[in-house]
Amino acid sequence: DIQMTQSPSTLSASVGDRVTITCRASQSISSWLAWYQQKPGKAPKLLIYKASSLENGVPSRFSGSGSGTEFTLTISSLQPDDFATYYCQQYNSYLTWTFGQGTKVEIK
Amino acid sequence: EVQLVESGGGLVQPGGSLRLSCAASGFSFSSYWMSWVRQAPGKGLEWVANIKQDGSEKYNVDSVKGRFTISRDNAKNSLFLQMNSLRAEDTAVYYCARYSGSPPGLRYWGQGTLVTVSS
Repeated sequence: DIQMTQSPSTLSASVGDRVTITCRASQSISSWLAWYQQKPGKAPKLLIYKASSLENGVPSRFSGSGSGTEFTLTISSLQPDDFATYYCQQYNSYLTWTFGQGTKVEIK
Repeated sequence: EVQLVESGGGLVQPGGSLRLSCAASGFSFSSYWMSWVRQAPGKGLEWVANIKQDGSEKYNVDSVKGRFTISRDNAKNSLFLQMNSLRAEDTAVYYCARYSGSPPGLRYWGQGTLVTVSS
């Protein structure tokens, strides 16, 4: 099975900071990676699909990059609404999907 | 408007069974792969199962193999998760979600239903 490792687990940052979250796959998944944002008590929200494509309606300060085994989610200028937990997900095939363990972005 | 509404969660004893339902509306249900994703209290997301549009292909995570069965009724726009031999570690909020292949992603989610396995 493909394992996904996210880092860091927790990130403390201030409004206006540039934030980067990394996700590594245990084997190549090409660009079959998505990023989700989740706030407490809410369902996850799709931000990025196919590693670097921005979902409709998601602010352009969010961007994704990478392919193969290493991926990055970047928030160019952190806003108050962005304090949340972020998950990567590989969907290399329908047979088995995996989420990363999550990165909580906290107020510094 | 796309809507996914889960139901069927609750408190069940270890070894017991529960059947979750997800009522879909606002889209052509039979045209999409559907998924179940769960989240244990205070923990991360875990993919549980996928089912193809016509139900002919089903996949699930190793930890539920032989215990959980995903199914669907396209005539009733409904997704199901039959959970047997429940364990304490199955305690979680269970979300149903719609998978879009083009572009790919879990784009719509329900609000979740809580399953608690405890004696």
